[in-house]
Amino acid sequence: DIQMTQSPSTLSASVGDRVTITCRASQSINYWLAWYQQRPGKAPNLLIYKASSLETGVPSRFSGSGSGTEFTLTISSLQPDDFGTYYCQQYSNFAYTFGQGTKLEIK
Amino acid sequence: EVQLVESGGDVIQPGGSLRLSCAASGFTFHDYAMHWVRQGPGRGLEWVCFINGNGAWIEYADSVKGRFTISRDNNKNSLYLQMNSLRGDDTAVYYCAKSIVGATIIGTWGQGALVTVSS
Repeated sequence: DIQMTQSPSTLSASVGDRVTITCRASQSINYWLAWYQQRPGKAPNLLIYKASSLETGVPSRFSGSGSGTEFTLTISSLQPDDFGTYYCQQYSNFAYTFGQGTKLEIK
Repeated sequence: EVQLVESGGDVIQPGGSLRLSCAASGFTFHDYAMHWVRQGPGRGLEWVCFINGNGAWIEYADSVKGRFTISRDNNKNSLYLQMNSLRGDDTAVYYCAKSIVGATIIGTWGQGALVTVSS
């Protein structure tokens, strides 16, 4: 299976900050990568698919980039509603695999 | 509005069996691939299995292969997960999830059903 590794594991930032989360794949997945946000006690919410395509309804402050094995999720100006845990997921090959998550806390 | 409502979660003894159901509404069910994803207590997300729109293509994670069976009834707009030989590490919230249009990636998630495997 393809292993997905996120960094950092936890992140604390202030409202208005630019935030970047990195996801690395153990082998090339082209651009078959998605990002999800999960708030505590809630189901995940799709933010980005195909590495850089913004899901309908997701604020434009979220963006994704990368291809091959290195990917990033960027929040251009952090808002209070952006707390939670962020997961990347590869869908290049079954079994689809998730990163371990990045917990984002608002200072 | 798309809705996915899981049911069937319970406390079950190790070695036991359980069937989860997911009632779908608000979209043309047979046009979409579906997934089950689980999340153990305090843990991250683990993809469990996948089924395409007509049920002809099915995939499983190694951790459940041979024990779990995914199925769907397009006439009833329902997705199922039959879980056999349950173990303690199967304890998790199980999410039913719908793909996005024209792709297999997970787009919309249900609220989850809790399965606890314990004696």
